[in-house]
Amino acid sequence: TQLLEQSPQFLSIQEGENLTVYCNSSSVFSSLQWYRQEPGEGPVLLVTVVTGGEVKKLKRLTFQFGDARKDSSLHITAAQPGDTGLYLCAGWDTDKLIFGTGTRLQVFP
Amino acid sequence: KAGVTQTPRYLIKTRGQQVTLSCSPISGHRSVSWYQQTPGQGLQFLFEYFSETQRNKGNFPGRFSGRQFSNSRSEMNVSTLELGDSALYLCASSLEREGETQYFGPGTRLLVL
Repeated sequence: TQLLEQSPQFLSIQEGENLTVYCNSSSVFSSLQWYRQEPGEGPVLLVTVVTGGEVKKLKRLTFQFGDARKDSSLHITAAQPGDTGLYLCAGWDTDKLIFGTGTRLQVFP
Repeated sequence: KAGVTQTPRYLIKTRGQQVTLSCSPISGHRSVSWYQQTPGQGLQFLFEYFSETQRNKGNFPGRFSGRQFSNSRSEMNVSTLELGDSALYLCASSLEREGETQYFGPGTRLLVL
C-alpha cells in the first residue's frame, strides 16, 4: 500500500504570511491531487497535478509536482482567514484513492 | 446540479448496535465511494460501488458493508458497533471510472457510546 506523508501536521499563522505544505511518498504516483476540507464539510478538490515538475497556480495557491512524481507541495502566498481548513493530498493506488495524513491550517486575522 | 447528499448528518449509537448511512450521488454519477475519517487514522477508503456491484474494497472488517441501488444511491451499514467506529463517514461520487474527479458529500458524523 502506498503512503502519503504530509508536513507540517499543524500550521498556525497570521494573515498575510506565506506558507508551504509538503506531501511525500516513497512511491511513484501517476498524479496527485490536493483537497481542502472545511469544518462540517467534505473535501473539495483544488487541483490535480499530472506531469513531473508541473507547476499549477490557482490565485494565491501554487502547486508543484516533484520531478520523480513522488512528492508535491502547496504554497500559499499572503494567507487569508478564508484559507483556514484541512489540506489533504491524495493519489490513486491502483484502483483506490488514498489520502495523505493532512495539514491543518489556521490563519488568524 | 445538486451535490452529493448524505443522511443523516449526525448519529449517536451505543456499542453493539448497527447503523445504516445513506448517500445520494450527483445526478448521472454511477460510482459511489465511502470513506472513514478519524483524527488518528485520517481519511481511509472503505469501498466503492458501481452499477450495483462492489468494485473495490479497503482494509476494513466485514462488519462494514454496503450496497448500491439501481438509481445509484448507496447505503453503508456497520454492524456490532465499537467505540472505535466513531468517525466522520464520507461518501463521494464520480461519473464512472477510477481516476475521475470525486465529489464529496458533507459526511455523517457517527458517535458510538
